[in-house]
Amino acid sequence: GQQLNQSPQSMFIQEGEDVSMNCTSSSIFNTWLWYKQEPGEGPVLLIALYKAGELTSNGRLTAQFGITRKDSFLNISASIPSDVGIYFCAGTPKGRDDKIIFGKGTRLHILP
Amino acid sequence: NAGVMQNPRHLVRRRGQEARLRCSPMKGHSHVYWYRQLPEEGLKFMVYLQKENIIDESGMPKERFSAEFPKEGPSILRIQQVVRGDSAAYFCASSPLEISNQPQHFGDGTRLSIL
Repeated sequence: GQQLNQSPQSMFIQEGEDVSMNCTSSSIFNTWLWYKQEPGEGPVLLIALYKAGELTSNGRLTAQFGITRKDSFLNISASIPSDVGIYFCAGTPKGRDDKIIFGKGTRLHILP
Repeated sequence: NAGVMQNPRHLVRRRGQEARLRCSPMKGHSHVYWYRQLPEEGLKFMVYLQKENIIDESGMPKERFSAEFPKEGPSILRIQQVVRGDSAAYFCASSPLEISNQPQHFGDGTRLSIL
Protein backbone atom coordinates (compact mmCIF):
# COMPACT_ATOMS: atom_id res chain seq x y z
CA GLY A 1 0.00 0.00 0.00
CA GLN A 2 2.87 2.39 0.67
CA GLN A 3 4.88 1.52 -2.41
CA LEU A 4 5.76 4.12 -4.99
CA ASN A 5 5.30 3.27 -8.65
CA GLN A 6 7.60 5.35 -10.76
CA SER A 7 7.30 5.57 -14.53
CA PRO A 8 8.65 5.28 -17.04
CA GLN A 9 11.41 2.93 -15.97
CA SER A 10 13.71 4.41 -18.61
CA MET A 11 13.59 7.07 -21.29
CA PHE A 12 15.60 7.66 -24.43
CA ILE A 13 15.25 11.21 -25.74
CA GLN A 14 16.96 13.67 -28.03
CA GLU A 15 18.82 16.62 -26.60
CA GLY A 16 16.51 19.61 -26.38
CA GLU A 17 13.35 17.58 -25.78
CA ASP A 18 11.20 18.01 -22.71
CA VAL A 19 10.95 15.12 -20.25
CA SER A 20 8.12 14.09 -17.98
CA MET A 21 8.12 11.36 -15.34
CA ASN A 22 5.76 10.57 -12.52
CA CYS A 23 5.29 8.71 -9.31
CA THR A 24 2.05 7.25 -7.97
CA SER A 25 0.88 5.44 -4.89
CA SER A 26 -2.32 3.94 -3.59
CA SER A 27 -1.60 5.66 -0.26
CA ILE A 28 -1.63 9.32 0.68
CA PHE A 29 1.78 10.96 1.07
CA ASN A 30 2.59 14.05 3.12
CA THR A 31 5.84 14.92 1.35
CA TRP A 32 7.25 14.28 -2.09
CA LEU A 33 10.94 14.49 -2.89
CA TRP A 34 12.75 14.19 -6.20
CA TYR A 35 16.41 13.10 -6.35
CA LYS A 36 18.92 12.59 -9.15
CA GLN A 37 21.68 10.01 -8.99
CA GLU A 38 24.67 9.86 -11.30
CA PRO A 39 26.93 6.81 -11.66
CA GLY A 40 29.16 6.23 -8.66
CA GLU A 41 27.54 8.98 -6.63
CA GLY A 42 24.84 9.39 -4.06
CA PRO A 43 21.40 10.88 -4.80
CA VAL A 44 21.17 14.64 -4.85
CA LEU A 45 17.97 16.33 -3.74
CA LEU A 46 16.42 18.33 -6.59
CA ILE A 47 13.03 19.44 -5.32
CA ALA A 48 11.05 18.96 -2.11
CA LEU A 49 7.25 19.37 -2.03
CA TYR A 50 5.29 19.73 1.18
CA LYS A 51 1.74 20.72 0.23
CA ALA A 52 -0.92 19.27 -2.06
CA GLY A 53 -1.07 21.20 -5.31
CA GLU A 54 2.34 22.77 -4.76
CA LEU A 55 4.28 23.47 -7.94
CA THR A 56 7.98 24.15 -7.50
CA SER A 57 10.74 24.88 -9.99
CA ASN A 58 14.49 24.51 -9.82
CA GLY A 59 15.96 25.89 -13.03
CA ARG A 60 14.69 23.75 -15.90
CA LEU A 61 13.08 21.31 -13.48
CA THR A 62 9.49 21.59 -12.30
CA ALA A 63 7.73 19.26 -9.91
CA GLN A 64 4.20 19.14 -8.58
CA PHE A 65 2.57 17.58 -5.55
CA GLY A 66 -0.67 16.04 -6.82
CA ILE A 67 -4.00 17.28 -5.48
CA THR A 68 -4.99 13.77 -4.40
CA ARG A 69 -1.67 13.52 -2.50
CA LYS A 70 -1.12 10.17 -4.17
CA ASP A 71 1.09 11.31 -7.01
CA SER A 72 3.79 13.69 -8.14
CA PHE A 73 5.44 14.50 -11.42
CA LEU A 74 8.78 15.91 -12.49
CA ASN A 75 9.31 17.76 -15.75
CA ILE A 76 12.63 18.71 -17.30
CA SER A 77 12.50 21.26 -20.08
CA ALA A 78 14.97 21.50 -22.96
CA SER A 79 17.10 18.55 -21.86
CA ILE A 80 20.89 18.75 -22.05
CA PRO A 81 23.51 15.99 -21.89
CA SER A 82 24.22 16.54 -18.20
CA ASP A 83 20.62 15.64 -17.37
CA VAL A 84 21.54 11.98 -17.89
CA GLY A 85 21.13 9.95 -14.73
CA ILE A 86 18.58 8.18 -12.58
CA TYR A 87 15.74 10.22 -11.14
CA PHE A 88 14.12 8.93 -7.97
CA CYS A 89 10.89 10.04 -6.41
CA ALA A 90 10.53 9.59 -2.69
CA GLY A 91 7.94 10.47 -0.11
CA THR A 92 6.75 10.24 3.44
CA PRO A 93 3.46 8.36 3.82
CA LYS A 94 0.65 9.90 5.83
CA GLY A 95 0.99 8.83 9.43
CA ARG A 96 4.64 7.88 9.01
CA ASP A 97 6.55 11.15 8.87
CA ASP A 98 9.68 9.38 9.98
CA LYS A 99 9.75 7.07 6.97
CA ILE A 100 10.96 7.87 3.48
CA ILE A 101 10.00 5.49 0.70
CA PHE A 102 11.81 5.55 -2.66
CA GLY A 103 10.57 4.67 -6.11
CA LYS A 104 12.71 2.44 -8.33
CA GLY A 105 13.85 5.31 -10.48
CA THR A 106 13.56 6.58 -14.04
CA ARG A 107 16.73 6.18 -16.08
CA LEU A 108 17.16 9.08 -18.48
CA HIS A 109 19.31 8.58 -21.57
CA ILE A 110 20.00 11.35 -24.06
CA LEU A 111 20.71 10.34 -27.63
CA PRO A 112 23.44 12.18 -29.50
CA ASN B 1 31.50 23.02 3.42
CA ALA B 2 31.94 19.27 3.54
CA GLY B 3 28.97 17.13 2.64
CA VAL B 4 28.12 13.72 4.01
CA MET B 5 31.33 11.71 4.05
CA GLN B 6 31.32 7.97 3.70
CA ASN B 7 34.25 5.63 3.84
CA PRO B 8 35.51 3.48 2.47
CA ARG B 9 34.15 4.09 -1.05
CA HIS B 10 34.77 0.47 -1.92
CA LEU B 11 35.06 -2.47 0.44
CA VAL B 12 35.83 -6.06 -0.47
CA ARG B 13 35.25 -8.82 2.03
CA ARG B 14 35.26 -12.60 1.96
CA ARG B 15 32.24 -14.53 3.16
CA GLY B 16 32.19 -14.74 6.94
CA GLN B 17 34.20 -11.57 7.54
CA GLU B 18 32.90 -8.37 9.09
CA ALA B 19 32.21 -5.16 7.19
CA ARG B 20 32.25 -1.74 8.85
CA LEU B 21 30.91 1.21 6.95
CA ARG B 22 31.38 4.72 8.28
CA CYS B 23 29.37 7.87 7.78
CA SER B 24 30.09 11.39 8.97
CA PRO B 25 27.01 13.61 8.57
CA MET B 26 27.10 17.16 7.39
CA LYS B 27 28.15 19.66 10.01
CA GLY B 28 25.21 20.56 12.20
CA HIS B 29 23.14 17.54 11.15
CA SER B 30 22.07 15.31 13.99
CA HIS B 31 20.04 12.73 12.06
CA VAL B 32 21.54 9.92 10.03
CA TYR B 33 19.88 7.41 7.72
CA TRP B 34 21.29 4.31 6.11
CA TYR B 35 20.00 2.93 2.81
CA ARG B 36 20.91 -0.04 0.68
CA GLN B 37 20.80 -0.04 -3.10
CA LEU B 38 20.98 -3.06 -5.36
CA PRO B 39 21.79 -2.64 -9.08
CA GLU B 40 18.82 -1.30 -11.08
CA GLU B 41 16.89 -0.73 -7.85
CA GLY B 42 15.87 2.23 -5.74
CA LEU B 43 17.09 2.86 -2.24
CA LYS B 44 15.76 0.68 0.55
CA PHE B 45 15.57 2.22 4.00
CA MET B 46 17.52 0.37 6.66
CA VAL B 47 17.86 2.46 9.81
CA TYR B 48 17.38 6.00 11.14
CA LEU B 49 19.50 7.28 14.03
CA GLN B 50 19.96 10.36 16.11
CA LYS B 51 22.98 10.85 18.29
CA GLU B 52 23.22 7.81 20.58
CA ASN B 53 19.69 6.67 19.67
CA ILE B 54 18.20 4.33 17.12
CA ILE B 55 14.88 5.84 16.08
CA ASP B 56 13.75 3.33 13.48
CA GLU B 57 15.53 0.13 12.47
CA SER B 58 12.57 -1.50 10.78
CA GLY B 59 14.43 -1.87 7.48
CA MET B 60 17.47 -3.56 8.91
CA PRO B 61 17.79 -7.37 9.05
CA LYS B 62 17.49 -8.60 12.62
CA GLU B 63 20.62 -10.71 12.41
CA ARG B 64 24.18 -9.76 11.51
CA PHE B 65 23.38 -6.06 10.95
CA SER B 66 23.78 -3.31 13.52
CA ALA B 67 24.13 0.46 13.46
CA GLU B 68 25.26 3.09 15.88
CA PHE B 69 25.71 6.84 15.98
CA PRO B 70 27.82 7.64 19.03
CA LYS B 71 28.04 10.99 20.75
CA GLU B 72 31.46 11.49 19.23
CA GLY B 73 32.53 10.19 15.85
CA PRO B 74 30.83 8.87 12.76
CA SER B 75 27.85 6.60 12.42
CA ILE B 76 28.82 2.98 11.82
CA LEU B 77 26.90 0.32 9.92
CA ARG B 78 28.28 -3.06 10.87
CA ILE B 79 27.62 -6.29 9.02
CA GLN B 80 28.89 -9.44 10.68
CA GLN B 81 29.60 -12.74 8.92
CA VAL B 82 28.93 -11.26 5.50
CA VAL B 83 27.29 -13.34 2.78
CA ARG B 84 27.20 -12.87 -0.98
CA GLY B 85 23.75 -11.31 -0.78
CA ASP B 86 25.14 -8.42 1.24
CA SER B 87 26.87 -7.10 -1.89
CA ALA B 88 25.30 -3.73 -2.60
CA ALA B 89 25.87 -0.01 -2.40
CA TYR B 90 25.18 1.39 1.05
CA PHE B 91 24.30 5.05 1.28
CA CYS B 92 24.17 7.31 4.28
CA ALA B 93 22.17 10.52 4.41
CA SER B 94 21.80 13.23 7.02
CA SER B 95 19.37 15.98 7.85
CA PRO B 96 19.25 18.82 10.33
CA LEU B 97 17.04 18.76 13.40
CA GLU B 98 14.33 20.99 11.96
CA ILE B 99 13.53 18.66 9.08
CA SER B 100 14.53 15.48 10.78
CA ASN B 101 12.28 13.22 8.79
CA GLN B 102 13.85 13.95 5.45
CA PRO B 103 17.31 12.83 4.32
CA GLN B 104 18.38 15.97 2.56
CA HIS B 105 21.97 15.12 1.78
CA PHE B 106 23.45 11.81 0.74
CA GLY B 107 27.02 10.62 0.78
CA ASP B 108 28.57 8.96 -2.26
CA GLY B 109 28.10 5.52 -0.78
CA THR B 110 30.19 2.48 0.07
CA ARG B 111 30.17 -0.27 -2.52
CA LEU B 112 30.48 -3.56 -0.70
CA SER B 113 31.59 -6.60 -2.65
CA ILE B 114 31.59 -10.05 -1.09
CA LEU B 115 33.89 -12.63 -2.63
